[in-house]
Amino acid sequence: GQNIDQPTEMTATEGAIVQINCTYQTSGFNGLFWYQQHAGEAPTFLSYNVLDGLEEKGRFSSFLSRSKGYSYLLLKELQMKDSASYLCAVLDSNYQLIWGAGTKLIIKP
Amino acid sequence: IAGITQAPTSQILAAGRRMTLRCTQDMRHNAMYWYRQDLGLGLRLIHYSNTAGTTGKGEVPDGYSVSRANTDDFPLTLASAVPSQTSVYFCASSDSSSNEQFFGPGTRLTVL
Repeated sequence: GQNIDQPTEMTATEGAIVQINCTYQTSGFNGLFWYQQHAGEAPTFLSYNVLDGLEEKGRFSSFLSRSKGYSYLLLKELQMKDSASYLCAVLDSNYQLIWGAGTKLIIKP
Repeated sequence: IAGITQAPTSQILAAGRRMTLRCTQDMRHNAMYWYRQDLGLGLRLIHYSNTAGTTGKGEVPDGYSVSRANTDDFPLTLASAVPSQTSVYFCASSDSSSNEQFFGPGTRLTVL
C-alpha cells in the first residue's frame, strides 16, 4: 500500500528553527509537495521537490532524498503566524497526490 | 471570480437527502479534484477529472458522483447522504504543466 508518515504535532519557540520530517512509500514517485494549512482554511502550496537536495525559499526550505523515501521542511526564524498544519504529499505513478495526515505546528512566544 | 470558489460554505443535512456541492474555477485548469478531510486523516481523494468530459474514481468514491460538463465546473453529488459523510470537502484544480494543486475554501458538511 501507499503510506506517508509525518509527526502528528510539534511545538517550537518563536524565533527558533524547526524541522518537520516526512517519510513515504508510494507506487512510483513524480515529486513531493509541502502545503501549509491554517485552521479552518484551505491548504496553500509551499514547495515542490522532484530531485534530491535542498530547495530554499525565504525562511522555508525543503529537502528530498528519493533513495531514502524521505523529505523534511525546515522553517527558520519562526513567527507566530507559522502556527498551522504542514501537509506532505507525494505525486505517485498515476500523477495522483497521496497525502500525509499533516503535522500541527504550535509556536510558543 | 478569482481562483476557485465552492458553495455552500457550510451545510447541515438530514440523512437520506440528496446534496450537490458546487465548485467553479476561472484559471482554465485542465484537472480538478474533490477531497474530503477528516480529523487525524490526510486529504482523501473522492473523484477527479483530468479534462472536461472525463472523470475518475479516487480512494473513497462510494456514495459520491461527479460530472465535468465544461472546464470550469466540477460539482460533487451525494445521492443519499449518510452520517459518515460528515466532513470538510475541498475542491482543487491543477494545470498539467506544474502539478501544483490550488484549493477552494472548502465546504463543511454535517449529516445528521
